[in-house]
Amino acid sequence: EPEVTQTPSHQVTQMGQEVILRCVPISNHLYFYWYRQILGQKVEFLVSFYNNEISEKSEIFDDQFSVERPDGSNFTLKIRSTKLEDSAMYFCASRDRSSTDTQYFGPGTRLTVL
Amino acid sequence: GIQVEQSPPDLILQEGANSTLRCNFSDSVNNLQWFHQNPWGQLINLFYIPSGTKQNGRLSATTVATERYSLLYISSSQTTDSGVYFCAVERDSGYSTLTFGKGTMLLVSP
Repeated sequence: EPEVTQTPSHQVTQMGQEVILRCVPISNHLYFYWYRQILGQKVEFLVSFYNNEISEKSEIFDDQFSVERPDGSNFTLKIRSTKLEDSAMYFCASRDRSSTDTQYFGPGTRLTVL
Repeated sequence: GIQVEQSPPDLILQEGANSTLRCNFSDSVNNLQWFHQNPWGQLINLFYIPSGTKQNGRLSATTVATERYSLLYISSSQTTDSGVYFCAVERDSGYSTLTFGKGTMLLVSP
């Protein structure tokens, strides 16, 4: 069964450094998402992406964050200058078409900012 | 935004017991998904169930959209069922996103 993949599984970085989290959505899916989960808390929406542009973003997704689909397969989340509070599990998700299909989640990248 | 409330927040069971987890939501939804978060943090998709009833092995789910709730049933629980169960809903069509509840933490003891 096709699945969403994410790399790396765990990233440790110093505060102020830039990080790029990578995702390969399911082939032929059209909608892409990033969510995050701070340890012990619920999963929160960050951003959705369709047709090579952001379609929706949350208050969390400030100017420090950006997303990109640099080629036909990868979907990336960049944090320009990491803060301690960016430490969380970051999940990528994709879906085939809007509102009538499941969002499929990747295994997550655990980001630790020191 | 839409509110998602899950109950109970914590649940401890003996292996072999049955359980029911509840998800209430505050608005009409087009999508509802149940997830199991395993000890490694991975979100495992259990059901896509905006309405009706589905079954998958020992798990089943029912969503009554008109009354804005969903139930997840776990029968003959096993220790591997331990983890956090999340309900997530999507309010609008189009580019809408999933809003998650706070989860139910389930511990199944041998």
